[in-house]
Order: sequence, then C-alpha cells, then structure tokens
Amino acid sequence: DTGVSQDPRHKITKRGQNVTFRCDPISEHNRLYWYRQTLGQGPEFLTYFQNEAQLEKSRLLSDRFSAERPKGSFSTLEIQRTEQGDSAMYLCASSTTGDLDEKLFFGSGTQLSVL
Amino acid sequence: QKEVEQNSGPLSVPEGAIASLNCTYSDRVSQSFFWYRQYSGKSPELIMSIYSNGDKEDGRFTAQLNKASQYVSLLIRDSQPSDSATYLCAVHNTDKLIFGTGTRLQVFP
Repeated sequence: DTGVSQDPRHKITKRGQNVTFRCDPISEHNRLYWYRQTLGQGPEFLTYFQNEAQLEKSRLLSDRFSAERPKGSFSTLEIQRTEQGDSAMYLCASSTTGDLDEKLFFGSGTQLSVL
Repeated sequence: QKEVEQNSGPLSVPEGAIASLNCTYSDRVSQSFFWYRQYSGKSPELIMSIYSNGDKEDGRFTAQLNKASQYVSLLIRDSQPSDSATYLCAVHNTDKLIFGTGTRLQVFP
C-alpha cells in the first residue's frame, strides 16, 4: 500500500445528476478527511472520520453532500443533485493520529466537472 | 478575517536566491503548523511541520514560527526552478487542518 487512492480521477456529469467518489486511505491510518479545492484556493475542509465514526462536518456543507466510511477503511463521498458550483477537485487525505503532530497524506483527487 | 492568510503571489525569484513565504493565522490557541507544496494539477504534499517558536531547518527549507505575532514563514534557500509551485500554509485547528489560499512561487533561471 503506497498511498491514498482515489477513484475516479475525473468525473464529468450533468447538472442534477448524483455522483459518488471513493477513497482508500493508507492501510494503517484511522483518520480520513475530505477536502474540496477550487482553482486558486486552498483545500477547504468538508468532513472527517475517525475509524467509521464521522466526527465533524463543515457547517458550510450542503445537505446534498453525504460521506460514509462503513467499516473504517475506504470512504465514499456522494453529491446529490449536482450543481455547477460543485465543480472542484475533491481531495481525500488520511493520517494516523489526531494529535498536534498530525500529518495528512493526500490522494491524487477526483476532478469533478458539472455541465 | 480568514483563519489562515497568505499572499497569493506570484512570488518571482531568480534561481539560487532565497524565497520567503509568509502566513498569518487568526486563532491564537493554534499550536501546530504545516507547509505543503502543490504542483499544478497535483495534490498537496507535506514539506515541514513546526510547533515551537523559532526556526526549524530541513535541508534547503527553514520554517519560522512566532506565536505572539501569529505568524509562520517558510524560507527556501538556493531556489531551483523545480521549486516552482504553490505553497500552502496549514494550521491545526480542533482536529483538522485549515489551509490558506497558497502562495504561487516562480523560480526563473
């Protein structure tokens, strides 16, 4: 296991469709994060899991977004009824601890384009 | 006020020069700070972390932290064209990292 894996790398969809992304973290990492990044901006926090428990969601996150990590391993991020403003790079990251020395390792991301 | 602020740049420096990247943060209780590098079209990768006031050196990189001024910086010595990228400052805040918008660095030959 060499790193965080995300699938698909690119997704083009029409407005109103649902999309789902998958993230496989580094195997020994119990924390998993989802971030969103648009051009010229830094990654924006969406939500994170400790094992299978979702511990925090950004208050800016629309109800159309839902994330799961059912067995504490891989995670999925679903966007329902996509809008053009959802177009962004969706980044997954994992880490081993939640302490001050927490270092996040990012996957390659899923680039979403909503037409 | 944004939680983590960076000048978006671009910062242009000649090859061999020192590049200085700056970041300020708003939450005074933050205790750990990170610099990530992001090449165009790629995901962020960790360069350095710093937790204590003062300097921390790692090869050509030096991170500086001043908690009283809520200021973090990254110095890149002997800049190379391969250092051209966006540098993201991140602050650990209640179990997650908050990122700045990043500073784009251009190193020209």
